[in-house]
Amino acid sequence: DGGITQSPKYLFRKEGQNVTLSCEQNLNHDAMYWYRQDPGQGLRLIYYSQIVNDFQKGDIAEGYSVSREKKESFPLTVTSAQKNPTAFYLCASSIFGLNTGELFFGEGSRLTVL
Amino acid sequence: AQKVTQAQTEISVVEKEDVTLDCVYETRDTTYYLFWYKQPPSGELVFLIRRNSFDEQNEISGRYSWNFQKSTSSFNFTITASQVVDSAVYFCALSEAEGDYKLSFGAGTTVTVRA
Repeated sequence: DGGITQSPKYLFRKEGQNVTLSCEQNLNHDAMYWYRQDPGQGLRLIYYSQIVNDFQKGDIAEGYSVSREKKESFPLTVTSAQKNPTAFYLCASSIFGLNTGELFFGEGSRLTVL
Repeated sequence: AQKVTQAQTEISVVEKEDVTLDCVYETRDTTYYLFWYKQPPSGELVFLIRRNSFDEQNEISGRYSWNFQKSTSSFNFTITASQVVDSAVYFCALSEAEGDYKLSFGAGTTVTVRA
């Protein structure tokens, strides 16, 4: 089945550690996104990538980094510089931009900093 | 400034009641797109509808219906004869023509349907 796979589903990290969240899609979509969700808030855009080897900062990129070396993969690294990393992280993809279609989401990764 | 406002934080209804979720948006663009997503307890957001700014026709899909009114900048969502499986968080979102890859989400409305 086509879709977006995020791993791990749950992740615990000590303060000061970097962690990488995986996102893989087999939908052949050009665009991929990372969103952060906090309780009682909507989703906020961290980074997005329109095409391989290119990505742009979203609204809350500080403390995060990404890479897009392959079309199907868009990993997110939460660095120790992120002050409040405990959150639910959602990866998404779209065929092209949102003017041509909707976002498809993965099941999310829940990161807890101990 | 908040581009999408969902004033209702939580709504609780008894099964078979209708429930309407409000969404008010703000944009200066004449071309934009509005979306509704459902987030069940599993966490994955499920796409429900996408509507462009030039299409003000209301839409019905099964028990779901949407009322788009540009005059009041609203894109409300109604679930008719609600069921327990409708319990979820519902998000309204806006994409503006100038931010083709950016989707602005509202804070979400948690709907609880009691048997």
